[in-house]
Amino acid sequence: GAVVSQHPSWVICKSGTSVKIECRSLDFQATTMFWYRQFPKQSLMLMATSNEGSKATYEQGVEKDKFLINHASLTLSTLTVTSAHPEDSSFYICGQVGIGGADTQYFGPGTRLTVL
Amino acid sequence: GNSVTQMEGPVTLSEEAFLTINCTYTATGYPSLFWYVQYPGEGLQLLLKATKADDKGSNKGFEATYRKETTSFHLEKGSVQVSDSAVYFCAPVPGTYKYIFGTGTRLKVLA
Repeated sequence: GAVVSQHPSWVICKSGTSVKIECRSLDFQATTMFWYRQFPKQSLMLMATSNEGSKATYEQGVEKDKFLINHASLTLSTLTVTSAHPEDSSFYICGQVGIGGADTQYFGPGTRLTVL
Repeated sequence: GNSVTQMEGPVTLSEEAFLTINCTYTATGYPSLFWYVQYPGEGLQLLLKATKADDKGSNKGFEATYRKETTSFHLEKGSVQVSDSAVYFCAPVPGTYKYIFGTGTRLKVLA
């Protein structure tokens, strides 16, 4: 299967700072990327969908000015949590589509964000 | 709207027991169906998929059959191992390619 990496794997920051999370596809070109957040012992909630070279489409209730997504290339997408607050603490996972069919997503290992 | 229902966990089994995790869904059109597995502290890994009615997806001893008439995609394994302990997510994917995840079913396998 396709390999997707995320960096960092965990981050702790102070309230009010911004945090950037990178998602890279290592062995394929990802035409579409997805960002999810997952609360403890809960399912994944889709935050936004992005296609390379175009603006991300955010799900209802997700603040686009707070969660900035940049799909810079076919192998890299970044999620920036701006002015982070404790309620933004969560597990963030990216998913990518590229090979294996347009319906098959490959997920990164996740980034655990803790905002103090 | 589109939705998926998974059996609530945790499911606790002894090693070598038979596993069934139920999954039923509602989705527009003819979705592809997926099972993903999440080990502690990790992201999701694709376990298996099926794209049309009566297709059987299989991987690592796990199987699931696309049942269109009952809109189900139950996950089964004949003999579980301790290393199978994880959270399992069922996900129908309609034509929009937006995944609909269930709440996940936590499996604990005891030695």
